[in-house]
Amino acid sequence: GQSLEQPSEVTAVEGAIVQINCTYQTSGFYGLSWYQQHDGGAPTFLSYNALDGLEETGRFSSFLSRSDSYGYLLLQELQMKDSASYFCAGALPDSWGKLQFGAGTQVVVTP
Amino acid sequence: DVKVTQSSRYLVKRTGEKVFLECVQDMDHENMFWYRQDPGLGLRLIYFSYDVKMKEKGDIPEGYSVSREKKERFSLILESASTNQTSMYLCASSSPPRGRGFNEQFFGPGTRLTVL
Repeated sequence: GQSLEQPSEVTAVEGAIVQINCTYQTSGFYGLSWYQQHDGGAPTFLSYNALDGLEETGRFSSFLSRSDSYGYLLLQELQMKDSASYFCAGALPDSWGKLQFGAGTQVVVTP
Repeated sequence: DVKVTQSSRYLVKRTGEKVFLECVQDMDHENMFWYRQDPGLGLRLIYFSYDVKMKEKGDIPEGYSVSREKKERFSLILESASTNQTSMYLCASSSPPRGRGFNEQFFGPGTRLTVL
């Protein structure tokens, strides 16, 4: 299947801004979504970009550029509770809503 | 509050045993998914179901089967567990997307399976 590449780990201090990039090798996704997973927890949905551009939801924003096969998740005003793994997932072009997940980025927020 | 529940948080089985992982959702979703999650590999789709008794293979179906007899329940079966099936198993459900749209998948808490 198609693969999505994202960094394995990012470390930042409280209050900082972190950008998690996600690149995919081929086009064909309907859009790009982002999930957050705390240690021991279930992945939870953060955002979805169906169109190119920036989507903002509170402190978190997500961006998609289809022509560049690239997206990112921006975490602003980092808080300790943002320490978690973040997964990008491409929405496959089928009628069932299947997702292709990246390997995940561990975000570590330090005081 | 929407909910996806899985029968066990932790499970330890022996090689060769038949293992059943159960997942129940209370959102009346048509779609249900089974993933396995391993470090550095993200979530990989094992099987999904888009209706009662309907199923499709995902990316890594070998060694697994599924059953969906009721809309709210989706079971993952390891016919003969092997050590390389030690992993975290996540169940999810969603409504089907409309057109080129998207519907979020809701995940259960996961079952950490260890096969000895």
